[in-house]
Amino acid sequence: DAGVIQSPRHEVTEMGQEVTLRCKPISGHNSLFWYRQTMMRGLELLIYFNNNVPIDDSGMPEDRFSAKMPNASFSTLKIQPSEPRDSAVYFCASSLRTVEGEQYFGPGTRLTVT
Amino acid sequence: AQKITQTQPGMFVQEKEAVTLDCTYDTSDPSYGLFWYKQPSSGEMIFLIYQGSYDQQNATEGRYSLNFQKARKSANLVISASQLGDSAMYFCAMREVNTDKLIFGTGTRLQVFP
Repeated sequence: DAGVIQSPRHEVTEMGQEVTLRCKPISGHNSLFWYRQTMMRGLELLIYFNNNVPIDDSGMPEDRFSAKMPNASFSTLKIQPSEPRDSAVYFCASSLRTVEGEQYFGPGTRLTVT
Repeated sequence: AQKITQTQPGMFVQEKEAVTLDCTYDTSDPSYGLFWYKQPSSGEMIFLIYQGSYDQQNATEGRYSLNFQKARKSANLVISASQLGDSAMYFCAMREVNTDKLIFGTGTRLQVFP
């Protein structure tokens, strides 16, 4: 299995621009998670989906952030407009909803907003 | 509210020695799962080991074992026979069964020296 795939791996953009991060979960997994990691705040869950339906978006910082999962094999996290404080590593993870349900993480997207 | 605490920001261990990384948790739910993840300097998050709250035995995966003390609400990770490649950040996380969310601790940076 290829694991969770994220693109791009690195993104540098100017303040005010739209940024779209992409994720392909592990085939067969039915839960997908978006996390943000910064030195100051550690790992934060932004939103998660189960069977393509958003279940909990309480971690989404503000209206500038939105996430979609149009099908079982693809999800996007969009930031519009981006701000310097959005600079972070964004991880996508997927899991199979079992008793254990360990999450498998993608390699992350390092976002820098200047 | 549930919480994960890792009190050791950094740990050193000599190669081939065993090391214990501490993790305590707080939850009012009787059913939960505990996880450990490794994050090397390359940035990816690697799942190591899982312990369910109702599991009678401590989880083991190769050189990793989880010292689960339910009454003390601790879930320490034990790495036996440390290797240089074990140098990384280690995160403890907890999931409540009725949700799929993982709550992460702040991490412990382990450095293995020759």
